[in-house]
Amino acid sequence: DADVTQTPRNRITKTGKRIMLECSQTKGHDRMYWYRQDPGLGLRLIYYSFDVKDINKGEISDGYSVSRQAQAKFSLSLESAIPNQTALYFCATSDFGTGDQETQYFGPGTRLLVL
Amino acid sequence: AQSVTQPDIHITVSEGASLELRCNYSYGATPYLFWYVQSPGQGLQLLLKYFSGDTLVQGIKGFEAEFKRSQSSFNLRKPSVHWSDAAEYFCAVGPLRAGGTSYGKLTFGQGTILTVHP
Repeated sequence: DADVTQTPRNRITKTGKRIMLECSQTKGHDRMYWYRQDPGLGLRLIYYSFDVKDINKGEISDGYSVSRQAQAKFSLSLESAIPNQTALYFCATSDFGTGDQETQYFGPGTRLLVL
Repeated sequence: AQSVTQPDIHITVSEGASLELRCNYSYGATPYLFWYVQSPGQGLQLLLKYFSGDTLVQGIKGFEAEFKRSQSSFNLRKPSVHWSDAAEYFCAVGPLRAGGTSYGKLTFGQGTILTVHP
């Protein structure tokens, strides 16, 4: 089984709809991240969480919200989707202080199309 | 603020040829440096990473990268490319720990698409 899973893998939605992307991990990591990937722009950080009670904005958090339901689960929500949120979304995890020195491990991605 | 530049958007090489993908970073201290690969329709896979020590780092799939502080570069190399290496490659920089705290955030370059001709 994959260490970092994302659901759904693909999603088509309409402008104005609320949508949630989910991420689960079995790596036991405390830190989790949400990125979006756009062609020619690489990956940009949306939100990150260092533990269940910690949520931080990344560089492009407007229009998004997150929930850290448990150590293993980190969800990304688009409250009212708009077409320029069409992108590939990645969840990642990392650990701190175990000698792995902040290496991030990525899920397979969720491809979102907002019509 | 830290930044990463991958000057080449698209590179085409013949199978068996050598490869070098460029990465330049801007950061005020010694950073963590990473190379990830994204095959078509797939997530990101870690190729290699540099934290400290030997500036020549070996990774998976026969890749290596060299950290050059004087040039603020972390170029990825492979002596002989295989058709299966066709993918998009991302360089990323992360912050060094300071005072026992690390922010853990990665900053990615724009990516380089590698095409391999038979």
